[in-house]
Amino acid sequence: KAGVTQTPRYLIKTRGQQVTLSCSPISGHRSVSWYQQTPGQGLQFLFEYFSETQRNKGNFPGRFSGRQFSNSRSEMNVSTLELGDSALYLCASSSSGGAHTGELFFGEGSRLTVL
Amino acid sequence: DQQVKQNSPSLSVQEGRISILNCDYTNSMFDYFLWYKKYPAEGPTFLISISSIKDKNEDGRFTVFLNKSAKHLSLHIVPSQPGDSAVYFCAASAVNDYKLSFGAGTTVTVRA
Repeated sequence: KAGVTQTPRYLIKTRGQQVTLSCSPISGHRSVSWYQQTPGQGLQFLFEYFSETQRNKGNFPGRFSGRQFSNSRSEMNVSTLELGDSALYLCASSSSGGAHTGELFFGEGSRLTVL
Repeated sequence: DQQVKQNSPSLSVQEGRISILNCDYTNSMFDYFLWYKKYPAEGPTFLISISSIKDKNEDGRFTVFLNKSAKHLSLHIVPSQPGDSAVYFCAASAVNDYKLSFGAGTTVTVRA
């Protein structure tokens, strides 16, 4: 069973640009979550989608957005990039989205560097 | 506002000894707790979890203890092995929250 696939794995952007990250969940999983990992901050929740509906959103500015497609694949977009957006962006999938019903399966992440 | 805190950024332990990782939380609505393990250049992987209706859960060398009154949980690894060297994240969730709140992580180094 293939795991969670994130693309691209590494990317470098400059301030003011925008970026789109992609995530393909485990087959059969309908929930996709996104987290930002920065040194010393752990993983910060961005948003969660289930069957194309956003069920929860973290405390990030409106520059961060996401969506989920009918095949459960998800994308997140960051517009007007800032230096502080440099981070590892992790996507996770689960069968229903709640930690109570199944743990999250994480991808390897997309490492974004903003110059 | 960090609702899950891991106050020890690092832990060094000798192979064969016990590793104890600590985690504190502030949100009384949390009722499910998990530990994840992360190696460099990989995503976190689920290790063990515990529901708030329990105070202990064991899985092989890994045991998680929950003290609800103190809003504290700990992960015990016995015996520690070199392959256990990784970053360990504590996480918590509330019913129908659809997200995990993570601590900042503890880097464990197991010395031979």
